Amino acid sequence: GAGVSQSPSNKVTEKGKDVELRCDPISGHTALYWYRQRLGQGLEFLIYFQGNSAPDKSGLPSDRFSAERTGESVSTLTIQRTQQEDSAVYLCASRYPGLAGSLRSGELFFGEGSRLTVL
Amino acid sequence: KQEVTQIPAALSVPEGENLVLNCSFTDSAIYNLQWFRQDPGKGLTSLLLIQSSQREQTSGRLNASLDKSSGRSTLYIAASQPGDSATYLCAVRPRETSGSRLTFGEGTQLTVNP
Repeated sequence: GAGVSQSPSNKVTEKGKDVELRCDPISGHTALYWYRQRLGQGLEFLIYFQGNSAPDKSGLPSDRFSAERTGESVSTLTIQRTQQEDSAVYLCASRYPGLAGSLRSGELFFGEGSRLTVL
Repeated sequence: KQEVTQIPAALSVPEGENLVLNCSFTDSAIYNLQWFRQDPGKGLTSLLLIQSSQREQTSGRLNASLDKSSGRSTLYIAASQPGDSATYLCAVRPRETSGSRLTFGEGTQLTVNP
């Protein structure tokens, strides 16, 4: 597709269940980010993937959170044993590589997000 | 640690007015700065990207400036319209050697009244 695609768009789950969120980046974008946005709040960095390099996991809030990405393709964010405080919109973004020095190099494109509600 | 602040937090203006949104950051060692808009319940839409070597970027009625030395960026919206109502976010990306994560401001919620 032309943009970053995320699924599901909405997920309601019971406390303690595991959930998996998916992000399909723009083709050719080597860098991918996951952010979390709680209601009425700013964006909170979770994890960053760049090609085949080791991901930057420094934003993951606990060991219940994990993310995978194979090469430059789809990424999945998994939350185990969900808690009510996990309720948020999870946003994925991919980054346009471009040529160094080009005006669009490094531009981020976001998906519509996955809204997670933990009851 | 980079901190990004956006002022004002909320702004309400009549249609047709020109307005300025402010973004300030504490660490000037940036790679680029990007402005986004976010409509309620939606993802972020890219508006303008300014590389660290640039002073400004323009797209239609939008103009963004960057002053690295003072740690400031402004987003100028000319002849505002009700359809411009949204939350505007700025985000700073550090130089490659300083890490990967973008730091976002809290946003300015703009309402343009018809």
